[in-house]
Amino acid sequence: DAGVIQSPRHEVTEMGQEVTLRCKPISGHDYLFWYRQTMMRGLELLIYFNNNVPIDDSGMPEDRFSAKMPNASFSTLKIQPSEPRDSAVYFCASSLTQGAMETQYFGPGTRLLVL
Amino acid sequence: GQSLEQPSEVTAVEGAIVQINCTYQTSGFYGLSWYQQHDGGAPTFLSYNGLDGLEETGRFSSFLSRSDSYGYLLLQELQMKDSASYFCAVQGSARQLTFGSGTQLTVLP
Repeated sequence: DAGVIQSPRHEVTEMGQEVTLRCKPISGHDYLFWYRQTMMRGLELLIYFNNNVPIDDSGMPEDRFSAKMPNASFSTLKIQPSEPRDSAVYFCASSLTQGAMETQYFGPGTRLLVL
Repeated sequence: GQSLEQPSEVTAVEGAIVQINCTYQTSGFYGLSWYQQHDGGAPTFLSYNGLDGLEETGRFSSFLSRSDSYGYLLLQELQMKDSASYFCAVQGSARQLTFGSGTQLTVLP
């Protein structure tokens, strides 16, 4: 299996621009998570989906952030408009419901820099 | 909600044993996981404890005491490649993980 795939791997944009991050989870996995990692705040859960349905978006920082999962093999995280404080590494992770244990498989991340 | 505490940095020499502690406060608890992250890389799963006791996976072991809300990751026969950040994560309700702030392990020759 190719693992979780994210694109782009790096993104540099200017404040006010729209940014779209993409994720392809591991085939067959039924959970998908979006995280943001910064030095100050660590690894934060933004939103997660189960069978393409958003379950908890309480971690989404504000209305500028939105996420969709139109099908089992694709999800997007959009920031519009972007701000310098959004600069971070954004990870997508997926997992499969298999007993009580939760094991998440992370993608390589998208390094976002907003100037 | 959940909160976790772990040391920010640990330093050890090659071949040594190091223990990284994690204490947590949570409103719901299913288990405690450990993830490793190398600089510039993604977190990768290391170990999971759902019940009290020790779980061993090669050179790595993880321990959990639910009554003490405490766990640790034990790394034996340290190698240079073990230099990385290590995160404990509480599995609360559903499938959600809440990660600690991470412990930066530096292995010296």
